[in-house]
Amino acid sequence: DAGVIQSPRHEVTEMGQEVTLRCKPISGHDYLFWYRQTMMRGLELLIYFNNNVPIDDSGMPEDRFSAKMPNASFSTLKIQPSEPRDSAVYFCASSVGWGASTEAFFGQGTRLTVV
Amino acid sequence: RKEVEQDPGPFNVPEGATVAFNCTYSNSASQSFFWYRQDCRKEPKLLMSVYSSGNEDGRFTAQLNRASQYISLLIRDSKLSDSATYLCAVPLSGGSYIPTFGRGTSLIVHP
Repeated sequence: DAGVIQSPRHEVTEMGQEVTLRCKPISGHDYLFWYRQTMMRGLELLIYFNNNVPIDDSGMPEDRFSAKMPNASFSTLKIQPSEPRDSAVYFCASSVGWGASTEAFFGQGTRLTVV
Repeated sequence: RKEVEQDPGPFNVPEGATVAFNCTYSNSASQSFFWYRQDCRKEPKLLMSVYSSGNEDGRFTAQLNRASQYISLLIRDSKLSDSATYLCAVPLSGGSYIPTFGRGTSLIVHP
């Protein structure tokens, strides 16, 4: 299995532009998570899905952020309009179920720079 | 109080040393705990789950102290390849199993 696949790996964009990050979870995994990592705030959970349904989006910083999961093999995180403070590494992770010993498998991340 | 707190370090130790990190958590109802390892500019990967009785995997030992609400990770006989950031993960408030991550503790093992 190729693992969780994220694209692009790096994105540099100008303030005000729309940014779309993509994620393909591991086949058969029914949970998908979007995290953001910065030096200041560490690894923060933005939103997670179970069976393609958003369960908790309380971590989404503001209305400029939106996430979708149209099917079991694809999810997007969109920022519109982007701002310099959105610069971070965005990770997607997936798992089979979620319980006391469940492992989350992370993608390699998208390094976003907004200038 | 933050939900999950870690000393950011860095912990700078020689090869062969024993080093321990702690991670405190605020949700007394938490039932599951994890240690992840993150190499520089890479994604986090699960190192080990933490069981209430404590558990060991080779040179790594994880312990849980419910009374004081912290978990620990002990690394014996440190190797250069152990240099990384170690993140603890504890469920969000409310009893969910979905983990909140600490900011990580940086370990540097030098020759």
